[in-house]
Amino acid sequence: DAGITQSPRYKITETGRQVTLMCHQTWSHSYMFWYRQDLGHGLRLIYYSAAADITDKGEVPDGYVVSRSKTENFPLTLESATRSQTSVYFCASSDTGNQPQHFGDGTRLSIL
Amino acid sequence: GENVEQHPSTLSVQEGDSAVIKCTYSDSASNYFPWYKQELGKRPQLIIDIRSNVGEKKDQRIAVTLNKTAKHFSLHITETQPEDSAVYFCAASRRMDTGRRALTFGSGTRLQVQP
Repeated sequence: DAGITQSPRYKITETGRQVTLMCHQTWSHSYMFWYRQDLGHGLRLIYYSAAADITDKGEVPDGYVVSRSKTENFPLTLESATRSQTSVYFCASSDTGNQPQHFGDGTRLSIL
Repeated sequence: GENVEQHPSTLSVQEGDSAVIKCTYSDSASNYFPWYKQELGKRPQLIIDIRSNVGEKKDQRIAVTLNKTAKHFSLHITETQPEDSAVYFCAASRRMDTGRRALTFGSGTRLQVQP
């Protein structure tokens, strides 16, 4: 859906570097989510946010940091990237935690 | 926490046949169960969902059934077509430690429809 955009679409970086993935939605959804997708694991929740200035850990939060100063933006930062964080990252948003989630196109991140 | 098991991991059917994907969940407080379709290199897209107060929901060739007692739900695709080939994910809502809800996803089923 065009209402949620992720950038960059592709990123290659080196271990130990900091990298930030951006997510922007135009629906004014309260909830936003970050997932990572790896073969055999489906979509695993990293962090989520119920509103501006409210963020909570998901299933696999270690090594990641998020912020949500504005409702429409939910950046994900890898403070010191490791090879195990090579993955496809999806951002999603929804009205509540119990409503359909709309996904962005994903960011394919490779850490060398 | 919530655990969602999805089977089978791969499914191959002939065009026109039916396909069934099954999921089980562990959290009895789960009350929302969406299904997503993901084509290669694309984003997951919602195809159908069901809430715990309903036992079955249908949308053209796609249906979902829910058995709350057994904690399992299934996706049924009838008259399959080659364009149904994709990875399908089930999900179940769960109440997080904060009291807020989020989805837990199954590991996915790769459906291949042979022409």
